[in-house]
Amino acid sequence: QKEVEQDPGPLSVPEGAIVSLNCTYSNSAFQYFMWYRQYSRKGPELLMYTYSSGNKEDGRFTAQVDKSSKYISLFIRDSQPSDSATYLCAMSFTSGTYKYIFGTGTRLKVLA
Amino acid sequence: SQTIHQWPATLVQPVGSPLSLECTVEGTSNPNLYWYRQAAGRGLQLLFYSVGIGQISSEVPQNLSASRPQDRQFILSSKKLLLSDSGFYLCAWDRDRGRIDYTFGSGTRLTVV
Repeated sequence: QKEVEQDPGPLSVPEGAIVSLNCTYSNSAFQYFMWYRQYSRKGPELLMYTYSSGNKEDGRFTAQVDKSSKYISLFIRDSQPSDSATYLCAMSFTSGTYKYIFGTGTRLKVLA
Repeated sequence: SQTIHQWPATLVQPVGSPLSLECTVEGTSNPNLYWYRQAAGRGLQLLFYSVGIGQISSEVPQNLSASRPQDRQFILSSKKLLLSDSGFYLCAWDRDRGRIDYTFGSGTRLTVV
């Protein structure tokens, strides 16, 4: 079993839709949960991160962590064609670790 | 502001040829530096990381090596490329161990033929 599982997609939605992207994980010791956005042929860029359980909101983006279910989500409201990218989740045990465990990424297409 | 440079953007190399990919960071000192490989359907795999000049930690036994000859320079090398070395190679840096602030370069697409 992989430490982090993520549906590869592609996920196609119409412009303005609410998008839900998810990851599951197996190691309950993970404490930091990150979401990265990666445009084609570019490096990933950090969107947001959460520590432990709970929600975090930043503009149209909301990150949710459910440690009891070992499940994290990224919600995108009012999705735009510019949101079309691959979204990767990542996890680490502490903020001081050098090792992030990444999901394989979900390709999102927002259709105009 | 800090920037990270990675080159070349794309590379096609024959099997058995050597490899040298370079990454440099500007605008900071003593960064932690990382090399990742991203293969289709497999996510980002950490290959090497370095916390200082000459200090290299290898995460995965493989055909590759890394060096850090200067504070802000990180080099990924191979003496003889294999077909399985094909992939998207990403350099990243961060500075403070207490923060989540990985910054990735734009990557090198390597195709071994």
